[in-house]
Amino acid sequence: TQLLEQSPQFLSIQEGENLTVYCNSSSVFSSLQWYRQEPGEGPVLLVTVVTGGEVKKLKRLTFQFGDARKDSSLHITAAQPGDTGLYLCAGVNSGAGSYQLTFGKGTKLSVIP
Amino acid sequence: SQTIHQWPATLVQPVGSPLSLECTVEGTSNPNLYWYRQAAGRGLQLLFYSVGIGQISSEVPQNLSASRPQDRQFILSSKKLLLSDSGFYLCAWSLMGGVGYTFGSGTRLTVV
Repeated sequence: TQLLEQSPQFLSIQEGENLTVYCNSSSVFSSLQWYRQEPGEGPVLLVTVVTGGEVKKLKRLTFQFGDARKDSSLHITAAQPGDTGLYLCAGVNSGAGSYQLTFGKGTKLSVIP
Repeated sequence: SQTIHQWPATLVQPVGSPLSLECTVEGTSNPNLYWYRQAAGRGLQLLFYSVGIGQISSEVPQNLSASRPQDRQFILSSKKLLLSDSGFYLCAWSLMGGVGYTFGSGTRLTVV
């Protein structure tokens, strides 16, 4: 069974601070995705990283995929209250014609104004 | 554009009652379809996935079943609910070979 460990589990910071959340596994994934989920809603895809060592930027969010494709990080610069939510990483496995995701338990981020 | 509809948004059911949650996708053909459950403090657990009409793969042995009677319709069912079936149920779709999942807005099921 492939597992993804996310850390920290909870994070509460002041508006304007920087933060990094981590997603680690002992398994190799074909790609890795990051989602953000707000209470009572489904997760929304933020980014997919495919190549080991890849870095993608989405405004104030920077995503990195580890060289060995086993881990990833999400860095947020100058956090804003609108960044509050549950951040989930998901490893992608391909097989049997279906792309299946293995999710971490998430990092619950609260940005205090 | 593609959209995914999931209903109902919330449901309170007594133990032993049946369940039927429905998910439909619009704007695409032959999607891969998924049912996930999210329990408090836990990640998303894949329950079922389907690559085509009538094709269902189960990931976790449990009290639930799934069916895909039409290309863009996915149904999650139970004959008799258990307290442990409570949770947040999410339907999702992706294209064959696509790596982006689109989730529905979820159903909050409480079994009492």
